[in-house]
Amino acid sequence: SYELTQPPSVSVSPGQTARITCSGDALPKQYAYWYQQKPGQAPVLVIYKDSERPSGIPERFSGSSSGTTVTLTISGVQAEDEADYYCQSADSSGAVFGGGTKLTVL
Amino acid sequence: EVQLVESGGGLVQPGRSLRLSCTASGFTFGDYAMSWVRQAPGKGLEWVGFIRSKAYGGTTEYAASVKGRFTISRDDSKSIAYLQMNSLKTEDTAVYYCTRDRGYSGYDSWGQGTLVTVSS
Repeated sequence: SYELTQPPSVSVSPGQTARITCSGDALPKQYAYWYQQKPGQAPVLVIYKDSERPSGIPERFSGSSSGTTVTLTISGVQAEDEADYYCQSADSSGAVFGGGTKLTVL
Repeated sequence: EVQLVESGGGLVQPGRSLRLSCTASGFTFGDYAMSWVRQAPGKGLEWVGFIRSKAYGGTTEYAASVKGRFTISRDDSKSIAYLQMNSLKTEDTAVYYCTRDRGYSGYDSWGQGTLVTVSS
């Protein structure tokens, strides 16, 4: 099965913009999804189909896609956005998750 | 409100079996595929497998790491999805989450997870 590659960590100051990337060969052909997971909690879907935002997710969360890389952008980062973020996609064998990125709000 | 509640986790010896349950409420369970995702302690998320709705044959798919050992089933009359885990290995130790699988709309609801510890 193929892999999705994320940076292990991203740091940003409050109010700035955080960008988390996810790379994978199948991403031009398959949708990407993003999940936020805070310590001790279940993941929460924040972006689906590359750039769609579920109801209840703040507008500061957005997603984009370019070639083999998808990006989760958090504009005007708040302290509550500190969490692990996972990208997810699929291939013919099933779903696959990236290794996760820890977002630290300085 | 959509709710998913996992149960059945615990401590089990290597080579033994365990069955997890995921009880759903707040939506028409039979209309949706259901997936299982696990997370080893301090590690990332790993897809385990899923079961399609009866409308799509109720068939299943599994990750290579569990294929042949794990079986997913569903009882739509009770709104429960099951994960039967056989021949457990120490590397199966993880929190197991069930999720509502909305296909192209992603895993939009997750349970709180249940911890499975495989150890002698």
